[in-house]
Amino acid sequence: AQSVTQLDSQVPVFEEAPVELRCNYSSSVSVYLFWYVQYPNQGLQLLLKYLSGSTLVESINGFEAEFNKSQTSFHLRKPSVHISDTAEYFCAVTPTTNAGKSTFGDGTTLTVKP
Amino acid sequence: NAGVTQTPKFQVLKTGQSMTLQCAQDMNHEYMSWYRQDPGMGLRLIHYSVGAGITDQGEVPNGYNVSRSTTEDFPLRLLSAAPSQTSVYFCASSPRGRGSYEQYFGPGTRLTVT
Repeated sequence: AQSVTQLDSQVPVFEEAPVELRCNYSSSVSVYLFWYVQYPNQGLQLLLKYLSGSTLVESINGFEAEFNKSQTSFHLRKPSVHISDTAEYFCAVTPTTNAGKSTFGDGTTLTVKP
Repeated sequence: NAGVTQTPKFQVLKTGQSMTLQCAQDMNHEYMSWYRQDPGMGLRLIHYSVGAGITDQGEVPNGYNVSRSTTEDFPLRLLSAAPSQTSVYFCASSPRGRGSYEQYFGPGTRLTVT
């Protein structure tokens, strides 16, 4: 079994400020790690993923996340946010042997203010 | 590719009615899953499938049935709708292996049960 805890339900920040969205997980099986983003009234889209290799992964729009195995964390960061980053962000884990059985955190609403 | 499609987009049911939410994907993905999204609770897995003819229960399966007769389609049936099933339902698919593992989501179906 696996579980995901997103430590902040809401994160308000000003435009151009840095942000960190925190995610901890636990699992009895080997998992892959993901961050998804959901814009209002839309489905979820993949933001970035960690499968193996370098523990720091990056997205095309400036987000990055670092896998920390000892702390079982996968925090999401961006050095400078834009208004367009306003959305809900979900951390998720997927067993390496069953891509249909993902477990999601409760989500973090990021609100970027001008 | 249309990706993952879901119909209908919106539905209102009365308590006790039954209906089927449709989900189809044209990416030849082996895995397909149904989630429900409720405010503050993230996404919870209802049922999933690892291939045609094979389905299994997720975290919250009660009141829902699924079948998978083809790779492309994965309908979700509500047997006797209850107000507790008011939610947004997302269908997702994922390829087996191929270095991917992320889920591709449909746009969702917003269901209200009165």
